Amino acid sequence: DSGVTQTPKHLITATGQRVTLRCSPRSGDLSVYWYQQSLDQGLQFLIQYYNGEERAKGNILERFSAQQFPDLHSELNLSSLELGDSALYFCASSVGSRMETQYFGPGTRLLVL
Amino acid sequence: GQQLNQSPQSMFIQEGEDVSMNCTSSSIFNTWLWYKQDPGEGPVLLIALYKAGELTSNGRLTAQFGITRKDSFLNISASIPSDVGIYFCAGQLSDVDNDYKLSFGAGTTVTVRA
Repeated sequence: DSGVTQTPKHLITATGQRVTLRCSPRSGDLSVYWYQQSLDQGLQFLIQYYNGEERAKGNILERFSAQQFPDLHSELNLSSLELGDSALYFCASSVGSRMETQYFGPGTRLLVL
Repeated sequence: GQQLNQSPQSMFIQEGEDVSMNCTSSSIFNTWLWYKQDPGEGPVLLIALYKAGELTSNGRLTAQFGITRKDSFLNISASIPSDVGIYFCAGQLSDVDNDYKLSFGAGTTVTVRA
C-alpha cells in the first residue's frame, strides 16, 4: 500500500459523458501527478500539481482538466468522453516537486462504452 | 513526451537466470528511472539514476545511466518468481524553467518459468 488512495476503483460510462476521478495523496505530500495508461499509448504523464498550483504539464487533452484543493487532494475531470479514453488513470504523490520520489496509487479503471 | 524505445517487449526467463533490458532515446535526459508494475497495481520505483555513467544497485537489481544520457539498462540477477511483472523505464528532462518532462518506455513484460 503506497498510501495514495484513488476513487472510484472502476468506472463505466458512455461516450460524451463527463467523469471526475479523485486522488488523496500520502500524508505530507504536496505534489500530485496524474497519468493515463492505455494498451496502445502506454503510460503517459498528464499533469502535476504542487501545493495547489499547476507545476508541469504533459500530454493532457483539452477535454481533460485537473485541480488540487487546499487539503491537497486532487481531481481529474474528463469530459466529452470518447472510446479511446478508456484506460487506467493513476495518481501519484511526492513530498516535493521531484517526480522520481513519487508513489503511485492503485489506479482508476475507466471504461467508455 | 520524448519517445523511449524499450526492449525487449517481453521475455520468458528461467528461475535463477540473469536478465537485462534497456531503453534508448533520441534525446538526452537528466534522470533515468526504472519502475516495476504488478497486476492491478501502480508502478513502484526501483532505481533512480541522476548522472551519466552512474551505476546503481538495489538488491538483485542493477541499473546504469548511459554515458551519452540517451540510454539506460536494468539487470536482474538470479531471477525469482516474484520478479514477474512489467518493468518500465522513464526519462526525465528538466529545462531552464524547471519544467519537468517525464516520458515512459512501453514496458518489458517479464514472466519467470519456475
